[in-house]
Amino acid sequence: EAQVTQNPRYLITVTGKKLTVTCSQNMNHEYMSWYRQDPGLGLRQIYYSMNVEVTDKGDVPEGYKVSRKEKRNFPLILESPSPNQTSLYFCAVRDRNTGELFFGEGSRLTVL
Amino acid sequence: AQSVTQPDIHITVSEGASLELRCNYSYGATPYLFWYVQSPGQGLQLLLKYFSGDTLVQGIKGFEAEFKRSQSSFNLRKPSVHWSDAAEYFCAVERNNFNKFYFGSGTKLNVKP
Repeated sequence: EAQVTQNPRYLITVTGKKLTVTCSQNMNHEYMSWYRQDPGLGLRQIYYSMNVEVTDKGDVPEGYKVSRKEKRNFPLILESPSPNQTSLYFCAVRDRNTGELFFGEGSRLTVL
Repeated sequence: AQSVTQPDIHITVSEGASLELRCNYSYGATPYLFWYVQSPGQGLQLLLKYFSGDTLVQGIKGFEAEFKRSQSSFNLRKPSVHWSDAAEYFCAVERNNFNKFYFGSGTKLNVKP
């Protein structure tokens, strides 16, 4: 079964305290990406990765970093979180054969 | 800039009634088009997609969508809505092979008994 696993699912933190949201897949797909979902704005792409060591910015990359050291993992890093990064975050993996994105269950982050 | 518009924020339909959710995009060339559904507390699930060919595409759960190039639209339809269809629906586009995805703001569907 195709799985995209995000951790943590819920997190409350304070401004400036570095955090990492992990994402792992069991599908061996090259393409992985991160989105944030905010009310009234839908999902906006933060970063994506075409393969190991290949990453690129999406629409809203400011304040975020990513790394892709191995195929199955694509962590999202907030070096110095701010309250405007309070959001619901989704990791997604793309099947290059079908074009379909498979989403994780989301990570709800609150920055105080 | 690429944009995706879903003009209806909330829609309420009666169970058994037909449904149409609207989606318009702005882009010069035909992008890849998708509809996703999100149930409360869940991630998004693909309903259907259009890449090329037949402009009427069938998806899962009895949904279909029609691509109209002249209107830059990709509206989602279902002939008879079930209570389990209550969810939020997102239209998305991808500029061909650019690997950047753009989502609409979503339409929340309520289904009346």
